[in-house]
Amino acid sequence: DAGITQSPRYKITETGRQVTLMCHQTWSHSYMFWYRQDLGHGLRLIYYSAAADITDKGEVPDGYVVSRSKTENFPLTLESATRSQTSVYFCASGHSDSNYGYTFGSGTRLTVV
Amino acid sequence: AQTVTQSQPEMSVQEAETVTLSCTYDTSESDYYLFWYKQPPSRQMILVIRQEAYKQQNATENRFSVNFQKAAKSFSLKISDSQLGDAAMYFCAYTGYGNKLVFGAGTILRVKS
Repeated sequence: DAGITQSPRYKITETGRQVTLMCHQTWSHSYMFWYRQDLGHGLRLIYYSAAADITDKGEVPDGYVVSRSKTENFPLTLESATRSQTSVYFCASGHSDSNYGYTFGSGTRLTVV
Repeated sequence: AQTVTQSQPEMSVQEAETVTLSCTYDTSESDYYLFWYKQPPSRQMILVIRQEAYKQQNATENRFSVNFQKAAKSFSLKISDSQLGDAAMYFCAYTGYGNKLVFGAGTILRVKS
């Protein structure tokens, strides 16, 4: 199906474990983004990518790692999960011409216990 | 760095009435885009309306319109004839050079029947 998909939709993990959130888009959009949503903070940018093999930090990158070997995939890895990383994570994608806004996935609710 | 401020954490409106959600932003860029996104309880991020900074005319999409005041750096959303389905979290967002989307903290809109 065309669109942007995130998996899993829900995830519970333990403190200290590594966890990877997946994001896949079928539009060949050049830009992809990872946001986290926390009450009172709106959506904050973690990492973004302008193209395959090009990534850059956003506002809150600490504790996260990204890669983008293919245009359509942009996984987000928490190397050693902490309780402060409990959040809802959104992936988004869009063309380099940003005036049309970006399309978001359905989000992943991650709970770190 | 660009910032977006939504000063109303929560708003209420009677069904069929009009409500205005406020948003201000700070930027030194001259060319940028502004957006309003809706997030219903399903968690999906839905683009409601967009405004190009170089256009003086306010954007309109059916019952949704904006009041864009570039000099004041203000970008409010007006919802006319409010419906129960309009109840959601609304986010104001900005993008400029670099294509990163910066969000405000959000406003919860409640619609009373």
